[in-house]
Amino acid sequence: KNEVEQSPQNLTAQEGEFITINCSYSVGISALHWLQQHPGGGIVSLFMLSSGKKKHGRLIATINIQEKHSSLHITASHPRDSAVYICAVRSASNYQLIWGAGTKLIIKP
Amino acid sequence: NAGVTQTPKFQVLKTGQSMTLQCAQDMNHNSMYWYRQDPGMGLRLIYYSASEGTTDKGEVPNGYNVSRLNKREFSLRLESAAPSQTSVYFCASSAGQGAGGYTFGSGTRLTVV
Repeated sequence: KNEVEQSPQNLTAQEGEFITINCSYSVGISALHWLQQHPGGGIVSLFMLSSGKKKHGRLIATINIQEKHSSLHITASHPRDSAVYICAVRSASNYQLIWGAGTKLIIKP
Repeated sequence: NAGVTQTPKFQVLKTGQSMTLQCAQDMNHNSMYWYRQDPGMGLRLIYYSASEGTTDKGEVPNGYNVSRLNKREFSLRLESAAPSQTSVYFCASSAGQGAGGYTFGSGTRLTVV
């Protein structure tokens, strides 16, 4: 079983829909990261969380440390949000990142 | 622009050839990393350098060597390329053990034939 599980693996939605991507992990962590990888391949860091909730524009990330679960929400989704969204946790024991396999999001106009 | 610069962006090698992937960051970050990304899989850590002068193996170090040349530069060397090393390689840096988040290079698409 992977230490970081994301769901769904693939998600297709219509423009304007509210999007939720989930991340569950099984190890002790010091932080959780959400990253975005565009079709061109570049990886951009979106959020780093250790507790609570963060918001940046239409993106919201939450984390529940007790339940070992995080969600990434996109409000009023747009075709330019189409990308792979990756959850990664920083291990509390060795500070290395453990990566989820990513969620491929397609937003149709 | 501040960030992580990787070269080359694309490379085709024949089996057995060697090459070095270059990475430089201008954010004064202490830690640097090399990852590979294969289809359908998460990024896997090859090697990392927690600070200048130190390097450590990651999850998949076999077939690779690294050099932390100075605080800015962290290179990845394939001594004898194999088809299994066909992948997209990413360099990343962070202020210190990832405490301040990570900045990634644009990637190197390597094909070994």
